[in-house]
Amino acid sequence: NAGVTQTPKFQVLKTGQSMTLQCAQDMNHNSMYWYRQDPGMGLRLIYYSASEGTTDKGEVPNGYNVSRLNKREFSLRLESAAPSQTSVYFCASYSGSSVSNIQYFGAGTRLSVL
Amino acid sequence: AQKITQTQPGMFVQEKEAVTLDCTYDTSDPSYGLFWYKQPSSGEMIFLIYQGSYDQQNATEGRYSLNFQKARKSANLVISASQLGDSAMYFCAMRELQDSGTYKYIFGTGTRLKVLA
Repeated sequence: NAGVTQTPKFQVLKTGQSMTLQCAQDMNHNSMYWYRQDPGMGLRLIYYSASEGTTDKGEVPNGYNVSRLNKREFSLRLESAAPSQTSVYFCASYSGSSVSNIQYFGAGTRLSVL
Repeated sequence: AQKITQTQPGMFVQEKEAVTLDCTYDTSDPSYGLFWYKQPSSGEMIFLIYQGSYDQQNATEGRYSLNFQKARKSANLVISASQLGDSAMYFCAMRELQDSGTYKYIFGTGTRLKVLA
C-alpha cells in the first residue's frame, strides 16, 4: 500500500529558481492538502483541494501555486524560490467523508533554498 | 487568535509512567473533530487518535486516550505506561468543515516528549 507518495524527498534550490513538488495518492481520496513545517510553527496549511479541479488557499499561500491534475495528483509549485521557503513540505489526503477521520500524510519533502 | 494551542513545548516522563499532553482549541464549527499525531525523529506523521465533537465518550486507542472536556475546549492526550519509543513530537489538530464541503485541518505547534529510561 503506497498511500501518499511525495517526490522528491530532498531538494536544494538557488534563490529565484522554480520547482514543482509532486504528490500522488492511491486511496481514491477526494481531498488533498499541502502543508509546510517550520521549527516551532507546527504544520501550516498552504493550499488544499476538495476535489478534482478545485483548490483553496490555506493559511500561508503566498509564493506558491497548486494544481489538482486529477483525483490522484496534487502538485505544489514554487515559481521563484526564496530562502523563506526553506522548509519541510508535507502532502496529505483525506477521503472527504465525515465518517472516515484520518488524514494520511506523505513522507515529506525537505527543501532548502540558498 | 490561535485555534489550536499547545502550551508545553517540551515534556519529560519516566519510562512506564503516564503523561498528559495539553491541547486547547477554539472553533465555531459545531461538528469539529480533534486529532493527535505523532512525529518521530524520522519525520513521518503518524495518526494516533480522533475525537468527534459529538462523541459522548473519550476516545481510546491502546495506550492512548483523549481527555475531552468540551466546555473547557480542551483535548488532552494521555499516554499510559510510557515507552522509550514514545519519544517524539506530538501535534494536536482540529478539523473544521468549510463552505466547499471539505474539511480544513489546523495544527498546533507541537509538544516534544522525551521518555527517560
